[in-house]
Amino acid sequence: AQTVTQSQPEMSVQEAETVTLSCTYDTSESDYYLFWYKQPPSRQMILVIRQEAYKQQNATENRFSVNFQKAAKSFSLKISDSQLGDAAMYFCAYRSVDSNTGKLIFGQGTTLQVKP
Amino acid sequence: DAGVIQSPRHEVTEMGQEVTLRCKPISGHNSLFWYRQTMMRGLELLIYFNNNVPIDDSGMPEDRFSAKMPNASFSTLKIQPSEPRDSAVYFCASSRLAGLYEQYFGPGTRLTVT
Repeated sequence: AQTVTQSQPEMSVQEAETVTLSCTYDTSESDYYLFWYKQPPSRQMILVIRQEAYKQQNATENRFSVNFQKAAKSFSLKISDSQLGDAAMYFCAYRSVDSNTGKLIFGQGTTLQVKP
Repeated sequence: DAGVIQSPRHEVTEMGQEVTLRCKPISGHNSLFWYRQTMMRGLELLIYFNNNVPIDDSGMPEDRFSAKMPNASFSTLKIQPSEPRDSAVYFCASSRLAGLYEQYFGPGTRLTVT
């Protein structure tokens, strides 16, 4: 069974600085998808970024980028130029490419505090 | 697009009562997921449907939980009878096709069972 681990329960960053959230996963599959979701206090789950395992190039969405290390099974999220609105809980998630296995497997989450 | 719609947003009920949570997926999405979020267990999948058919219900905790999807635009999650340990936030999510596309989440229903 696949597992996702986020080893940092809490992180903090100064506004305008850069922060990296860690995520590791375990799987025997060779192809899969990885995601980062953001959950602000409103509790709405918002997709931040996705990565297909077969793509070597790291995904980027504006200030958000990932460092995907397939061999190490690592998938970290980097937030550049942090803003107050980035404060939230961040979840790393895994999903198989098997169309009959649609569920997301989530890590425990990392709470990010942004200091003004 | 209106996004995934869930109702109610908050539900407070007494132990032993029946609770029904509702979800309307995004139009055109044919996969629907029910997740539960608790402090102890985090986010976990309860059940998901493809084309209105339940595919994986292994996450449903026990027989007190049941889910239906009578058509492509509506699903329910029912708890009968409810217990205090069912208190959690329940999310519904939808996607175009399980395994290939991003899942979009509804705002969640916060359930409190006293």
